[in-house]
Amino acid sequence: EIVLTQSPATLSLSPGERATLSCRASQSVDTYVAWFQQKPGLAPRLVIYDASNRATDIPARFSGSGSGTDFTLTISSLEPEDFAVYYCQQRSGWPPAATFGGGTKVEIK
Amino acid sequence: QVQLQESGPGLVKSSGTLSLTCAVSGGFISSNNWWIWVRQPPGKGLEWIGEIYHSGSTNYNPSLTSRVTISADTSKNQFSLKLTSVSAADTAVYYCARDSKAGIDSWGQGTLVSVSS
Repeated sequence: EIVLTQSPATLSLSPGERATLSCRASQSVDTYVAWFQQKPGLAPRLVIYDASNRATDIPARFSGSGSGTDFTLTISSLEPEDFAVYYCQQRSGWPPAATFGGGTKVEIK
Repeated sequence: QVQLQESGPGLVKSSGTLSLTCAVSGGFISSNNWWIWVRQPPGKGLEWIGEIYHSGSTNYNPSLTSRVTISADTSKNQFSLKLTSVSAADTAVYYCARDSKAGIDSWGQGTLVSVSS
């Protein structure tokens, strides 16, 4: 099973600051990584798919990068609505399966 | 825009079977997508349970494969989850979702299932 490790667990930042979230895979997953945003009581929302493609209606301040085992989600300038938990997810390997990382909470400093 | 809605009992007895259904509207489960189940224990992270394709092909989380079955009913445009021999560790919010070529882009609102002793 491919394990995804996210860091840091918590990121304390102020609105307007840059957020950099990391996701590391235990083995190569090519570019099959997605990022999700989740707010309390709500379902996750797709932010980035295939490592660097923004999902529908996601603002340009969100960007993703990486390939192989190391991936990054960057929020260039935090807006109040961006404070949430972010999960990375991969679907790769054999047998086919998907896994999620443990999450990074982006909180207001 | 496709919409998904989970339904099923909110309380299941320990050692029993958890059964949930996901009704899909605004799209067809016979389309070229995987239809998946994800769960989230209270206060914890997301866990992928498994998926089904309209052809009937399934893939499951290796840690759950002995207890889980996902099936689909194209005539009702819905798919289902069965999880046997449940314990308190299976208490979670269960989500159904669509995994398209552009990621897991549509989610149900989630349903809380509690396992009682």
